[in-house]
Amino acid sequence: AQSVAQPEDQVNVAEGNPLTVKCTYSVSGNPYLFWYVQYPNRGLQFLLKYITGDNLVKGSYGFEAEFNKSQTSFHLKKPSALVSDSALYFCAVRDMDAGNMLTFGGGTRLMVKP
Amino acid sequence: DAGVIQSPRHEVTEMGQEVTLRCKPISGHNSLFWYRQTMMRGLELLIYFNNNVPIDDSGMPEDRFSAKMPNASFSTLKIQPSEPRDSAVYFCASSLGTGGAMGYEQYFGPGTRLTVT
Repeated sequence: AQSVAQPEDQVNVAEGNPLTVKCTYSVSGNPYLFWYVQYPNRGLQFLLKYITGDNLVKGSYGFEAEFNKSQTSFHLKKPSALVSDSALYFCAVRDMDAGNMLTFGGGTRLMVKP
Repeated sequence: DAGVIQSPRHEVTEMGQEVTLRCKPISGHNSLFWYRQTMMRGLELLIYFNNNVPIDDSGMPEDRFSAKMPNASFSTLKIQPSEPRDSAVYFCASSLGTGGAMGYEQYFGPGTRLTVT
């Protein structure tokens, strides 16, 4: 079985400061990892993914994420937060050997204050 | 590219009525997923299709829910009869790939906000 944990319901950061949204995962095989963002009254929007290769993955809007196999983590980061980054962020995992289903975390609300 | 299209965007109905939600996936995508999002339960996968065939429907809450994909460009999620606890936002998503060593991301539609009174 595969699972994802996002330990923080909400992250607060000041505009211009770096941000981190945490994600840990559990799979029996090798993972595919994804981050999505959801703005109010909108669908989930794909940000970035890790499949293989370089552990640091760069995505849309200046976001990046670092895959850490030993810690089974895939934290989302951005060097300088914008107020417009305020949204709900979801981490998701897919076991490479377990079909096409994604398992999503519970989501973390990011609040960036001016 | 128009993205994943869902209709209607909002649906308000009375308990006991039949509700049909519609989805048009991105052209060329061969996997389609139906999700439900609520404050209490978060994002739940209801069912997914590969090449129009239902693969896993273990997330469908009960027999009142059914989903079909008659062709590669159209899917429906039906609730009959509807109940107030079915109130949620229902998302459709599509992706390339049918599993295996592929890391294709899913693309989500805007969702249908269902309110059952």
